[in-house]
Amino acid sequence: NAGVTQTPKFQVLKTGQSMTLQCAQDMNHEYMSWYRQDPGMGLRLIHYSVGAGITDQGEVPNGYNVSRSTTEDFPLRLLSAAPSQTSVYFCASSYGRGSYGYTFGSGTRLTVV
Amino acid sequence: DAKTTQPPSMDCAEGRAANLPCNHSTISGNEYVYWYRQIHSQGPQYIIHGLKNNETNEMASLIITEDRKSSTLILPHATLRDTAVYYCIVRAINTGGFKTIFGAGTRLFVKA
Repeated sequence: NAGVTQTPKFQVLKTGQSMTLQCAQDMNHEYMSWYRQDPGMGLRLIHYSVGAGITDQGEVPNGYNVSRSTTEDFPLRLLSAAPSQTSVYFCASSYGRGSYGYTFGSGTRLTVV
Repeated sequence: DAKTTQPPSMDCAEGRAANLPCNHSTISGNEYVYWYRQIHSQGPQYIIHGLKNNETNEMASLIITEDRKSSTLILPHATLRDTAVYYCIVRAINTGGFKTIFGAGTRLFVKA
């Protein structure tokens, strides 16, 4: 079914490990983004992409890498996990033109120990 | 993108209208007002958006003041399932306004 799919739903990492959070959408959306949400806090933008091959930094990009090789996928890579990266990560997408709202995924809950 | 200001929390009785305010005094002419909500720890859900006219859909109504410096989201008959954090954001479209910043939102408590 159409939507934004995030995997995994839960993950525990040790400090210093690396991993990739996956995000895929099947709505042919040009725009995709990653947010993190710490307990009791709002959403903070990590990185975003306005189309395949184009990415840019958000509010809190340090410690994260992204790439956009296809329209459908926008993976988020943690290079060397730190306890400060313990958070819930949400991926969002929308059409690049027009005033459409964002569709969010259900999130990945990451704990770094 | 312009910033928004929302009260941190509000209460509403079940069955009554919930009116959630948002101030966006620095909004630009090409920026839309969007509302999202987040129920518990789920992903945020789009509710409604508008430019300068009032808008209504099956979920809510959006009232934007004539000077566009503030808006109100109206849930006409709030239910317990409407308890959530509501985010008001402003975003330009078609001009690269994709760096969308979310604030802390308003935590709405609907009480029986």
